[in-house]
Amino acid sequence: DIQMTQSPSSLSASVGDRVTITCRASQSISRYLNWYQQKPGKAPKILIYAASTLQSGVPSRFSGSGSGTDFTLTISSLQPEDFATYYCQQSYSPPRTFGQGTKLEIK
Amino acid sequence: QVTLRESGPALVKPTQTLTLTCTFSGFSLSTSGMCVTWIRQPPGKALEWLARIDWDDDKYYSTSLRTRLTISKDTSKNQVVLIMTNMDLVDTATYYCAREIPAGPRLDYWGQGALVTVSS
Repeated sequence: DIQMTQSPSSLSASVGDRVTITCRASQSISRYLNWYQQKPGKAPKILIYAASTLQSGVPSRFSGSGSGTDFTLTISSLQPEDFATYYCQQSYSPPRTFGQGTKLEIK
Repeated sequence: QVTLRESGPALVKPTQTLTLTCTFSGFSLSTSGMCVTWIRQPPGKALEWLARIDWDDDKYYSTSLRTRLTISKDTSKNQVVLIMTNMDLVDTATYYCAREIPAGPRLDYWGQGALVTVSS
């Protein structure tokens, strides 16, 4: 199975900050990488797919980059509604494993 | 519009078998490329991918849970069923079903989740 490792596990930031979350795959997955946002008590929501394609309706302050084994999710200017947990997922091959999550908290 | 909804028992005893049903609308699992995936999330923990069934009836399972899982579909009823045997306390989790589409591929629609508690 492909292992997905996110860093950091948690992050404190302020409204307006630029934040970056990293995801590393245990083998090359080309650009088959998705990012999801999950708020407490809710199902995850797709933000970015194919490493850098923004899901329809997702604000442009979210962006993704990377290929091969190393990927990043960047939020250019944090808004109050962005405080949540973020997960990466590889879609290169089943089982389509997730990272362990990054909890973004208000500083 | 696309919707998915999980249903099943909220409480199961250790060693029992869990049967969860995902009932969906707004798409057909007979359409080429469509898939339905089950994911779970123990309280306060990360998402775990469990199983997927494809439009052509191909099936894929979590390596660690493969021996305990069975996924099936009833295309006429727009349902996908997940069976998990020999339930344990550590299987307490919210279980989600989600649609996977080829563009990405990605999980673009999720159900609200069903909390299953394993307790004697």
